[in-house]
Amino acid sequence: NAGVTQTPKFRVLKTGQSMTLLCAQDMNHEYMYWYRQDPGMGLRLIHYSVGEGTTAKGEVPDGYNVSRLKKQNFLLGLESAAPSQTSVYFCASSFPPWVAGGRGTQYFGPGTRLTVL
Amino acid sequence: GENVEQHPSTLSVQEGDSAVIKCTYSDSASNYFPWYKQELGKGPQLIIDIRSNVGEKKDQRIAVTLNKTAKHFSLHITETQPEDSAVYFCAAILAGGTSYGKLTFGQGTILTVHP
Repeated sequence: NAGVTQTPKFRVLKTGQSMTLLCAQDMNHEYMYWYRQDPGMGLRLIHYSVGEGTTAKGEVPDGYNVSRLKKQNFLLGLESAAPSQTSVYFCASSFPPWVAGGRGTQYFGPGTRLTVL
Repeated sequence: GENVEQHPSTLSVQEGDSAVIKCTYSDSASNYFPWYKQELGKGPQLIIDIRSNVGEKKDQRIAVTLNKTAKHFSLHITETQPEDSAVYFCAAILAGGTSYGKLTFGQGTILTVHP
């Protein structure tokens, strides 16, 4: 049981390049999330998904796209990277808030450190 | 929407002392409050949580208290050890029902435990 895994762990991009971050979970969670973490700003939600084939915008969605083609995978795409997207990206997953004791506890992956030059 | 304020931003203690981190939230409908520990280079890990129908919860050296009236909750770590050094995040969520519950995080507290 690997939990939540993310690939790659590190990446350096030039402004304007594109890339996709992959998140995978093996806990059969319906909900998946992408966050970014910047110094002094905690964790901010980019996009989330409440099930296969569905996605929704979070707090800071601009410049990112996501897809959830399979229940266990959640992809985060940057079409044209900008220096402002330099950050550490975390994926998380959970059961819906109304199951598992009504908590919806989120489990996080190890993160992807992205630098955009 | 929900807003979570966390204090202090940094906390330095001697090994064996207690550490207390406090959070306030704005949405009285929030009913679930998890605490996460993030070690250097790793993702946040859940260490303890509390639901709004409980005032206090304890797990070995870690305890969380909740005051719904004042809308604040606190993390208490007793007999601190160097391995407790990490960044701690509080969070609040409206869990339940059929709608998505957004998890709102505090800004984080850097805890340093000196041997």
